[in-house]
Amino acid sequence: DQQVKQNSPSLSVQEGRISILNCDYTNSMFDYFLWYKKYPAEGPTFLISISSIKDKNEDGRFTVFLNKSAKHLSLHIVPSQPGDSAVYFCAASDTGNKLVFGAGTILRVKS
Amino acid sequence: DARVTQTPRHKVTEMGQEVTMRCQPILGHNTVFWYRQTMMQGLELLAYFRNRAPLDDSGMPKDRFSAEMPDATLATLKIQPSEPRDSAVYFCASGLVIGQWVFGANVLTFGAGSRLTVL
Repeated sequence: DQQVKQNSPSLSVQEGRISILNCDYTNSMFDYFLWYKKYPAEGPTFLISISSIKDKNEDGRFTVFLNKSAKHLSLHIVPSQPGDSAVYFCAASDTGNKLVFGAGTILRVKS
Repeated sequence: DARVTQTPRHKVTEMGQEVTMRCQPILGHNTVFWYRQTMMQGLELLAYFRNRAPLDDSGMPKDRFSAEMPDATLATLKIQPSEPRDSAVYFCASGLVIGQWVFGANVLTFGAGSRLTVL
């Protein structure tokens, strides 16, 4: 039973446009959410996070939105750059516990 | 630049053989996770340790997988006997947890992974 779901296996976006990656979760006890980025042959690296007490967190070109009532979060990348092409993993945690990851979304930014 | 080191990076073995993957967490980190990446499941949590004690290994097939932390600088994941369905990339990650998770500064740092192919 996947508690964190990324329903889009891949996304293709033109350079300079917005990339929107989506994530849904089922466990209402999750209170912290993270996005990790992964390049081929490397381990995932932390990108941005958000606590359940917030509905938005911004870091440069990256913004994460959280809709608790819908159990949904999204990552916006504006503007998208070719170097953003990678696999993006959504992850969630209940405080003090393990991180549960989604299946990942492959983002391709075309120049 | 502190990093998590995993060995081997690549391993090809035959079905039935024992496989041991090793992980050196970042010095000072007290929590170590083992994840497995597959196409269908994404990053599956296999086991995790805090202060070398196993906290949760419910994600591991118990009959063939075992995870240990012989000391604070080494975590191991062993598969015996290995099967073709174990073929995947295995990631180790470490982090520092004081009380509850304090994210931001204390997020997980992943190693580069060990790619296992069982023929």
